[in-house]
Amino acid sequence: DAKTTQPPSMDCAEGRAANLPCNHSTISGNEYVYWYRQIHSQGPQYIIHGLKNNETNEMASLIITEDRKSSTLILPHATLRDTAVYYCIVRVGQGGSEKLVFGKGTKLTVNP
Amino acid sequence: ETGVTQTPRHLVMGMTNKKSLKCEQHLGHNAMYWYKQSAKKPLELMFVYNFKEQTENNSVPSRFSPECPNSSHLFLHLHTLQPEDSALYLCASSQVLSNEQFFGPGTRLTVL
Repeated sequence: DAKTTQPPSMDCAEGRAANLPCNHSTISGNEYVYWYRQIHSQGPQYIIHGLKNNETNEMASLIITEDRKSSTLILPHATLRDTAVYYCIVRVGQGGSEKLVFGKGTKLTVNP
Repeated sequence: ETGVTQTPRHLVMGMTNKKSLKCEQHLGHNAMYWYKQSAKKPLELMFVYNFKEQTENNSVPSRFSPECPNSSHLFLHLHTLQPEDSALYLCASSQVLSNEQFFGPGTRLTVL
């Protein structure tokens, strides 16, 4: 079972920041938070991951609360091409053979 | 373009047919995965291969038979499928010690 809870859908205006929340209240100390997204009819795409510090890359920022029970993915300037299902996943370690357990995710719609 | 290709992109087959899905990665990775995505369901991990050895079979029926002849290629052999096996089949690859899986575009399978 997925160990995360996300809202089923969100809307965002083009050019504005999109803030996608994720609850993972049962996360263990050695579990990372990963974010992937899936644009319609394509395979999922890795976005970012973190353990306890905030992280930023060219796609997004990840803010993890101090107690690590929740996190927020921030797309700073959303575009129409960011319309997708966003998945928040917790996973142990850094081994590539660890299972990615996908939940239902959040369907983000970026509106013009 | 993620560096992971899948063929065919679309496949229609009868329940008595035998067909194969092919996945190829051009990233030098050593772990490969098969996922299934049914309509309105989360992605489900089917098989994991590390260094050409199967390390995970997620209780997949025997009518699905994976093959990994080398680190760059992964096949999924299909025989006597059922209509409920109709789904998007996704291949992914990663380094065994990497956090990031790269997904192919998927094969849309329809079983009549």
